[in-house]
Amino acid sequence: EAQVTQNPRYLITVTGKKLTVTCSQNMNHEYMSWYRQDPGLGLRQIYYSMNVEVTDKGDVPEGYKVSRKEKRNFPLILESPSPNQTSLYFCASSLVGSSGANVLTFGAGSRLTVL
Amino acid sequence: AQSVSQHNHHVILSEAASLELGCNYSYGGTVNLFWYVQYPGQHLQLLLKYFSGDPLVKGIKGFEAEFIKSKFSFNLRKPSVQWSDTAEYFCAVKALESGGYNKLIFGAGTRLAVHP
Repeated sequence: EAQVTQNPRYLITVTGKKLTVTCSQNMNHEYMSWYRQDPGLGLRQIYYSMNVEVTDKGDVPEGYKVSRKEKRNFPLILESPSPNQTSLYFCASSLVGSSGANVLTFGAGSRLTVL
Repeated sequence: AQSVSQHNHHVILSEAASLELGCNYSYGGTVNLFWYVQYPGQHLQLLLKYFSGDPLVKGIKGFEAEFIKSKFSFNLRKPSVQWSDTAEYFCAVKALESGGYNKLIFGAGTRLAVHP
């Protein structure tokens, strides 16, 4: 089944404790992206990647890092989490066409709470 | 900066009522337009999209949307809603110039509750 898999789905952590949210897709998509969803703000893009070793900042990259060492994986790293990073995070992927990234396939989401 | 506005944050309807959710965007150039839906406890999935051609597009589950370029709008409609349409709906816009090829801007979302 074609899908985007995120782990963990739920995580409670404390301020300053480094964590990684993994994202993997099995559709050979070039484009991958991370979003955070907050009430009243919709989805905001954190980082995206056009292909292996190619990443770029979205609208809210502060406090996050990403890497794209393999095409299928795009982990989101919080080096020193803070309470304002408490949110619902979505990973998404798509093929890249002539007009850039196409229709996104989303993961199930990862709900992160930072105490 | 580009932005997407969804006018209604919460909508409550009875089954069989008609639905229209508003979406306006601020970018003046060529755009790709999307509506995504998030059912309770599920991930976002595509409802419909507009890239070019007929401005009235049909999606899954009886939904349709109309692109009106002069109004910078892409409103979502359904003639008769069902209880199973209860979900959160997101409008999204991709600007095709100014480096926007890979940036999908989402609206804040509209929570729809349909009562039997």
